[in-house]
Amino acid sequence: NAGVTQTPKFQVLKTGQSMTLQCAQDMNHEYMSWYRQDPGMGLRLIHYSVGAGITDQGEVPNGYNVSRSTTEDFPLRLLSAAPSQTSVYFCASRTDLYSNQPQHFGDGTRLSIL
Amino acid sequence: AQKITQTQPGMFVQEKEAVTLDCTYDTSDPSYGLFWYKQPSSGEMIFLIYQGSYDQQNATEGRYSLNFQKARKSANLVISASQLGDSAMYFCAMRETPGSGGGADGLTFGKGTHLIIQP
Repeated sequence: NAGVTQTPKFQVLKTGQSMTLQCAQDMNHEYMSWYRQDPGMGLRLIHYSVGAGITDQGEVPNGYNVSRSTTEDFPLRLLSAAPSQTSVYFCASRTDLYSNQPQHFGDGTRLSIL
Repeated sequence: AQKITQTQPGMFVQEKEAVTLDCTYDTSDPSYGLFWYKQPSSGEMIFLIYQGSYDQQNATEGRYSLNFQKARKSANLVISASQLGDSAMYFCAMRETPGSGGGADGLTFGKGTHLIIQP
């Protein structure tokens, strides 16, 4: 009963380093997304995907890249980490873009950039 | 204007009392949905309850109910008989038709209410 799996759970990076946050879902959901959560800001959409091979920008896409080569996986890449990217990152999925079904969230990745 | 407004940044409630968490929304889309999520201190996002704009009855899930007042554009979460384990952040979210003015994917979250249940 895995649902949405995110790795790693915690990560500390130095400014300028790159890394990839992994996200996988086993529910055959077409729609997947990445959010960042900062204190007092709620959840803000970074990038999303409506299916394999299709990605689009959300509210705060700068500094992040995504790709969707399979239905299951939706990695988020930080190209050159900056302290402003210190945040908690959530991956989520739902059946499709127009679904009334709730989104399923991963457990989050707590990322600190020094 | 904010799409989702949660006016209570924090609330303290005595155990066993009922709790109402406020959520107002702004949309011109006739077809929309409202969600509530709970985020305990462990960090995960837990789905609680959903209300569709065309649903005639208020949604209920166990101790959770949604007080949906469409004309007032409010969707308050009611927790009956609160428990210590209800202490958490609570987020209201709205799904609109993508491109109708909300988030890029049609989903917008409020900034949350931090609920603390006191013994």
